[in-house]
Amino acid sequence: AQTVTQSQPEMSVQEAETVTLSCTYDTSESNYYLFWYKQPPSRQMILVIRQEAYKQQNATENRFSVNFQKAAKSFSLKISDSQLGDTAMYFCAFMKQGGSEKLVFGKGMKLTVNP
Amino acid sequence: NAGVTQTPKFQVLKTGQSMTLQCAQDMNHNSMYWYRQDPGMGLRLIYYSASEGTTDKGEVPNGYNVSRLNKREFSLRLESAAPSQTSVYFCASSTKSTSGRIQYFGAGTRLSVL
Repeated sequence: AQTVTQSQPEMSVQEAETVTLSCTYDTSESNYYLFWYKQPPSRQMILVIRQEAYKQQNATENRFSVNFQKAAKSFSLKISDSQLGDTAMYFCAFMKQGGSEKLVFGKGMKLTVNP
Repeated sequence: NAGVTQTPKFQVLKTGQSMTLQCAQDMNHNSMYWYRQDPGMGLRLIYYSASEGTTDKGEVPNGYNVSRLNKREFSLRLESAAPSQTSVYFCASSTKSTSGRIQYFGAGTRLSVL
């Protein structure tokens, strides 16, 4: 079974600064995908970024980028130029390729961006 | 573009009552999922449906039943609600893209069982 661990329950950062959220996972699978989802106070789950395990290049989406270390089973999210609207819960998630392709989530991390 | 629609948004039940949470998607997705979110636990999969007419158990299926009514709709039923089922429930649907399956979520249903 796969597990996803987010060891930092809570972080805060000043507006315009950079912050990195950590995530590690455990799997024996070779083919899989990794995701970061954001959940603002509205409760909506919003996809931030995704990474295919077979790709060595780290994914980027505007101010969001990941550091994917496959051998270390690490998948951290870097948020640059933090904005007040980035305040949310952030969830790291794992999906095995093939079969049901269901998501396995970490417990989440609360990020607060301060003005 | 509605995406994934869940009803109701909020519900309060008494122990032993039954209810059905409704979910519908308009994106022509084959796969649909039900998750529950508890404080400090992240989201956990209750049931999923890989295609119309099929359903399978997830990590925490006890106390729940599901129905994949058609390709658009996937309902979750609590036959006899218990306080342990107090949670926020999310429905999701997914499609296969060039980068693997992406799941799109509804806005959630907050359920309290007294």
